[in-house]
Amino acid sequence: EVQLVESGGGLVQPGGSLRLSCAASGFTFSSYAMHWVRQAPGKGLEYVSAISSNGGSTYYANSVKGRFTISRDNSKNTLYLQMGSLRAEDMAVYYCARDGSYCGGDCYSWYFDYWGQGTLVTVSS
Amino acid sequence: SYVLTQPPSVSVAPGKTARITCGGNNIGSKSVHWYQQKPGQAPVLVIYYDSDRPSGIPERFSGSNSGNTATLTISRVEAGDEADYYCQVWDSSSDHPVVFGGGTKLTVL
Repeated sequence: EVQLVESGGGLVQPGGSLRLSCAASGFTFSSYAMHWVRQAPGKGLEYVSAISSNGGSTYYANSVKGRFTISRDNSKNTLYLQMGSLRAEDMAVYYCARDGSYCGGDCYSWYFDYWGQGTLVTVSS
Repeated sequence: SYVLTQPPSVSVAPGKTARITCGGNNIGSKSVHWYQQKPGQAPVLVIYYDSDRPSGIPERFSGSNSGNTATLTISRVEAGDEADYYCQVWDSSSDHPVVFGGGTKLTVL
């Protein structure tokens, strides 16, 4: 069974930093691109970032570019999102999601077939 | 950037058919994916590549895509189908290539 479990969310002050983790199990983690998607309270889904299966390529939404860094450790089956210079508008539930296609290189299908339960990031002083 | 437009809400009686639309410029030339999200839960993929169903998704869920409109159709609607539904595309020409629609709240009367 595919499982994605996020952790690391919490309360952080504006301008602060936080690192989210997503522990994956039930599939060959190193063969799938992975993504982060967020959802502000009461709002819709917003795409954040992607990383290819081997970590060779990454993508960021303009809203987080230069402030967030996505990474992965295939030996630990774990995806990360390092968030810095946090703003009030970054407050959201952050979901990790698996890319829809098996791929051993720098490729993406750009849809998301499994999602974690999410971790809440609150940015407030 | 590419914009996907969904109606904020759709209501349907149990046993009837619900149709949720997703409008976009020439969306028929793109692949559309649909997600279901129930309150307090993570999204679940229900349709990918316009009309494919992941394993475990009932056949009552189907999708189509043509012209400027993609449609998620839910036949024989059940109370458990009440949820928010989001369409999503990848637009390679956009500076925001992963685009979600604003979501549609499906209410089962």
